[in-house]
Amino acid sequence: DGGITQSPKYLFRKEGQNVTLSCEQNLNHDAMYWYRQDPGQGLRLIYYSQIVNDFQKGDIAEGYSVSREKKESFPLTVTSAQKNPTAFYLCASRNSFPNTEAFFGQGTRLTVV
Amino acid sequence: KNEVEQSPQNLTAQEGEFITINCSYSVGISALHWLQQHPGGGIVSLFMLSSGKKKHGRLIATINIQEKHSSLHITASHPRDSAVYICAVNSGGSNYKLTFGKGTLLTVNP
Repeated sequence: DGGITQSPKYLFRKEGQNVTLSCEQNLNHDAMYWYRQDPGQGLRLIYYSQIVNDFQKGDIAEGYSVSREKKESFPLTVTSAQKNPTAFYLCASRNSFPNTEAFFGQGTRLTVV
Repeated sequence: KNEVEQSPQNLTAQEGEFITINCSYSVGISALHWLQQHPGGGIVSLFMLSSGKKKHGRLIATINIQEKHSSLHITASHPRDSAVYICAVNSGGSNYKLTFGKGTLLTVNP
């Protein structure tokens, strides 16, 4: 079945450590996105990529980094520079044509202690 | 002010009731999405619409472009409908960004 896979579902890290969240899709979508979700807030865009080897900062990119070396993969690294990294992270993908549906992963809940 | 406002924030219903969740937005859009998020976090796309009305099973979504308003209706609600329902808009442009509402937590009691 086609879809988006995020791993792991739960992740614990010590403060000051970098951590990488995985996102893989087999939908042949060009565009991929990373969102952060905090209690009481809407999803906020961290980074997005519309094509391999290219990505753009979203609204809250500080303290995060991404890469897009393959069409199907868009890993997100939460660096030690991110001041409040504990959150729920969602990856999404969609076809690059206008007005197409977005498909979401199951999310990764990151807790930094 | 958030560009996408949902109401109500929380909604509790009895099984079988008709449910309405509202979404208002302040920007011009090319499409509006209704999403469902179950406990555990995964999100599923329910509808994407740019005009009129769409129906899928017991779910109906409508949009009024002139009034910048959309509604999601659930007929004959069931406890398994309990989830967070999120409205998101695509304001167009070349980056296909989505702007999300804060969500409506729906609880349907048996």
